[in-house]
Amino acid sequence: DTAVSQTPKYLVTQMGNDKSIKCEQNLGHDTMYWYKQDSKKFLKIMFSYNNKELIINETVPNRFSPKSPDKAHLNLHINSLELGDSAVYFCASSRTEERVHSGANVLTFGAGSRLTVL
Amino acid sequence: GENVEQHPSTLSVQEGDSAVIKCTYSDSASNYFPWYKQELGKGPQLIIDIRSNVGEKKDQRIAVTLNKTAKHFSLHITETQPEDSAVYFCAASKRGSARQLTFGSGTQLTVLP
Repeated sequence: DTAVSQTPKYLVTQMGNDKSIKCEQNLGHDTMYWYKQDSKKFLKIMFSYNNKELIINETVPNRFSPKSPDKAHLNLHINSLELGDSAVYFCASSRTEERVHSGANVLTFGAGSRLTVL
Repeated sequence: GENVEQHPSTLSVQEGDSAVIKCTYSDSASNYFPWYKQELGKGPQLIIDIRSNVGEKKDQRIAVTLNKTAKHFSLHITETQPEDSAVYFCAASKRGSARQLTFGSGTQLTVLP
């Protein structure tokens, strides 16, 4: 079974549209993330979220919003898509520990969702 | 905030040779340094990590070294194989937290047969 699954894998859409990418993890992790990877492969965190706290990278436009219906899901909604939003979006999850603990620091990534805005 | 610089951005080696990727970090409070491997069409996957109380760690053909004084750490891959071809990312975080990971810019490693 896939640990972190994202859908769709590919998404092609027009500027101005609103789209969503779904993410589900079956690892029992309590923290989920969205990362954006641009054409130069640079990985940039967008959000981290657990049931206590949403941390938003201040550089992320407010057109992007995470929605978590439960601990196993963190979906990404994007409004008014722009050309510069074209990228690969990765969902990830991890287990949070209060103390530094081996295994609690590991990010498990999904396979990515390639968004192309025309 | 933390800044992680990674070099080189691309690296080509002959099969069987060694590959070294270097990273520097800016925040002396960082204490956890993982390396992720991203194969084509896949998400990054952890391959090895090191904590600040350790200077070196090995796992078969892969090793990581850490110099806290100089604030740099390196990934060493020996006896490279074609399946080692991928993008490698270093990262650093404080308190060993995945929530505070800052990634380097990535190195595209190509192992030539």
